[in-house]
Amino acid sequence: NAGVMQNPRHLVRRRGQEARLRCSPMKGHSHVYWYRQLPEEGLKFMVYLQKENIIDESGMPKERFSAEFPKEGPSILRIQQVVRGDSAAYFCASSPISSGGLQYQETQYFGPGTRLLVL
Amino acid sequence: RKEVEQDPGPFNVPEGATVAFNCTYSNSASQSFFWYRQDCRKEPKLLMSVYSSGNEDGRFTAQLNRASQYISLLIRDSKLSDSATYLCVVILAGGTSYGKLTFGQGTILTVHP
Repeated sequence: NAGVMQNPRHLVRRRGQEARLRCSPMKGHSHVYWYRQLPEEGLKFMVYLQKENIIDESGMPKERFSAEFPKEGPSILRIQQVVRGDSAAYFCASSPISSGGLQYQETQYFGPGTRLLVL
Repeated sequence: RKEVEQDPGPFNVPEGATVAFNCTYSNSASQSFFWYRQDCRKEPKLLMSVYSSGNEDGRFTAQLNRASQYISLLIRDSKLSDSATYLCVVILAGGTSYGKLTFGQGTILTVHP
């Protein structure tokens, strides 16, 4: 059973370009979460998606960032007009059901991350 | 005040030592608690969930004190392979919090021969 897959693993962009980060959840998982880890900082929640729905995007910057999880294919985190401050590791996690709302806890499994460097 | 606070360390201990990490959280509505470990330039991996009654997994013991909003992790008989950053993680209850993990800054542990 393949784990969470993310690609690319490393991405270099110049300021003003677009970055597209992909995440394929584990088989059978329909919930996807994106987190960002800035250099020397902890992981911060960005967005929580189910198939074709954004459930919680409270951690997403208001501009330039968007996320989707289409019916078919991977989840995409898109950053338009990247700036140097976007340089970070972006991790995707998946779970079969929401980890917060039930009597038992469902683990979130993390992908290896995409390291974005903006020049 | 940060939602989850940890002593960043670093903790440098010899093999075989016992080491304890502490964590406090600010929101009393926090529902679920975990310890993750993160190796350098790798993804976080779940180490263990933390239950109100306390729980143990081999050399690792986790404790939760809801009244003090305090979580701890004890590692006995440290191994070189325990060297990593240990992340304290909480989930708020219900509403739109769903599975949103809130991470502490992490505590760096280095175990030396």
